[in-house]
Amino acid sequence: ETGVTQTPRHLVMGMTNKKSLKCEQHLGHNAMYWYKQSAKKPLELMFVYNFKEQTENNSVPSRFSPECPNSSHLFLHLHTLQPEDSALYLCASSLDREKGQPQHFGDGTRLSIL
Amino acid sequence: AQSVTQPDIHITVSEGASLELRCNYSYGATPYLFWYVQSPGQGLQLLLKYFSGDTLVQGIKGFEAEFKRSQSSFNLRKPSVHWSDAAEYFCAAKLGGYNKLIFGAGTRLAVHP
Repeated sequence: ETGVTQTPRHLVMGMTNKKSLKCEQHLGHNAMYWYKQSAKKPLELMFVYNFKEQTENNSVPSRFSPECPNSSHLFLHLHTLQPEDSALYLCASSLDREKGQPQHFGDGTRLSIL
Repeated sequence: AQSVTQPDIHITVSEGASLELRCNYSYGATPYLFWYVQSPGQGLQLLLKYFSGDTLVQGIKGFEAEFKRSQSSFNLRKPSVHWSDAAEYFCAAKLGGYNKLIFGAGTRLAVHP
């Protein structure tokens, strides 16, 4: 299996639920990213991890909690979400040891908050 | 501030017609430049990238892009559009040595038969 895989593809949850999004990459990359894509808004970078260390948190609310146990796996733990958190959540990875390398994206998790 | 601008939110072309999607960047130095495509319900797929050298770069699916330093532009082109090209297209840029990718707002392409 190659590329960036995200699970689940679709998730419906209530505002009081706790769930997790999973991302896995089989490209040998060292950097991983979470993005939020809402309708009619630009892609928003949420978190960046480089060699398992978080290097960027783009003022994301604490109800989103990332976890990166190793360079191949990235999680986004969700709790007490709001309706405005409904969006497509995209994971990406890149080989950041070399300058200018592109990011490779998964197909995303479509999240709906009831 | 660093930014990427895609002036056209929606573009409609007829199948077989040529296509040009515009992208302008604002950076202190020439960034690395990328074009991605997103089909409905899917993630972003890399079409092509510009690092340095030849200013005309070839990508997948018959797309090409031309880097023009004087205009701070990196426009995407295709000589003959196919119905399957209907999607959203994103231009993106980043500076070397720093991994933050900045995206434009995207251009949604519709293709008429």
